[in-house]
Amino acid sequence: SQQGEEDPQALSIQEGENATMNCSYKTSINNLQWYRQNSGRGLVHLILIRSNEREKHSGRLRVTLDTSKKSSSLLITASRAADTASYFCATAHGGATNKLIFGTGTLLAVQP
Amino acid sequence: NAGVTQTPKFRVLKTGQSMTLLCAQDMNHEYMYWYRQDPGMGLRLIHYSVGEGTTAKGEVPDGYNVSRLKKQNFLLGLESAAPSQTSVYFCASSRLAGLNGNEQFFGPGTRLTVL
Repeated sequence: SQQGEEDPQALSIQEGENATMNCSYKTSINNLQWYRQNSGRGLVHLILIRSNEREKHSGRLRVTLDTSKKSSSLLITASRAADTASYFCATAHGGATNKLIFGTGTLLAVQP
Repeated sequence: NAGVTQTPKFRVLKTGQSMTLLCAQDMNHEYMYWYRQDPGMGLRLIHYSVGEGTTAKGEVPDGYNVSRLKKQNFLLGLESAAPSQTSVYFCASSRLAGLNGNEQFFGPGTRLTVL
């Protein structure tokens, strides 16, 4: 399987704390994306970082990419109870199909 | 805009029965995808389409067929359902990939149980 790995599998924090989750992948990428999935719902795109970028911000989200280590991290600052969800990284490996390979996900629980 | 919609939301089948899952998008996207999500496995690509009338196999295509007769619709068929096909199925769509790729937009999912 080409699926990426995410670490940790589950994370529990208090409101206001920062949450960091990591993603590793196996082969070279065109871009890496992060998605959120609330329980029982579809995935929602959060942020896309290209292979030639090292860091990207969007609101309370900060994503880093280290292509030499084939890894990425997602930082959520000042977390809220509404951030409780599963977070998935997905990698695109080029070509005209825009196919993604998803990681196994991190389940984040933010306690009020 | 409704985005990506899926029907039905839930379905229970008996082994050997057939069914079709319908995905529709109103964003004029070229690309469409079918995934299945199983506990601890993340999402795995079943089939995808890069345009009307074209389909291709993904990572786990066995036991499934697809059709894209209209640009806005992508159908996933199970000809003879098996318990191993019990899963949550997600449809997604995206614009043309371009040089740097594009995000995918997901439907709400169909929860399928095969007894």
